[in-house]
Amino acid sequence: QSVLTQPPSVSGAPGQRVTISCTGSSSNIGAGYGVHWYQQLPGTAPKPLIFADNNRPSGVPDRFSGSKSGTSASLAITGLQAEDEADYYCQSYDSSLRGYVFGTGTKVSVL
Amino acid sequence: EVQLVESGGDLVQPGGSLTLSCATSGFTFSNFWMTWVRQAPGKGLEWLANIRKDGRDQSCVDSVKGRFTISRDNAKSSLYLQMNSLRVEDTAVYYCARDRSIAFGGVDYWGQGTLVTVSS
Repeated sequence: QSVLTQPPSVSGAPGQRVTISCTGSSSNIGAGYGVHWYQQLPGTAPKPLIFADNNRPSGVPDRFSGSKSGTSASLAITGLQAEDEADYYCQSYDSSLRGYVFGTGTKVSVL
Repeated sequence: EVQLVESGGDLVQPGGSLTLSCATSGFTFSNFWMTWVRQAPGKGLEWLANIRKDGRDQSCVDSVKGRFTISRDNAKSSLYLQMNSLRVEDTAVYYCARDRSIAFGGVDYWGQGTLVTVSS
């Protein structure tokens, strides 16, 4: 069972802004461990999107941004595009489990 | 170019064993922690285990502890996952991944995955 909770789905029209929440606890996000986000298109391996809360790897559009506060983090997608339809996962380290954990995953749909 | 290529996925009976391999290239393997992640059909990602650069420290999730062993061969730039006492619920695509070079920095490169099916 995952210790990071995400909404199962979010949707928006092209050009809109959507946000995905990732709720953790005092042993992971709340302990100050970095939050990372991955995008997974159908049938493909995950792709790193955001690392260490709010950093974009080279090549990731600045439409994607991350933030963190307390025991939660968020991924925002602005200027939503059809190609953004995918599953999104957050990840952090958990000191109680002594390992990484992934969020439950969120499916983004473009209306 | 960083490349991670998994192999070894197969159909295996419950209770059986399997070893997955991950051949890497394009970077100095011995400088990075490495990780295995799996994804059951239609389900989310599950972090399984990671291993220190020199192979002397490993961590794994409770659900596979005592059954799965992560290891590496720095001379061959390869990562392994020995899986014993396989269960139906271990059916998944298994991904090899490279940990980012900052502490607790997540993954920066993924392999394409290899499918393990546990069924009688």
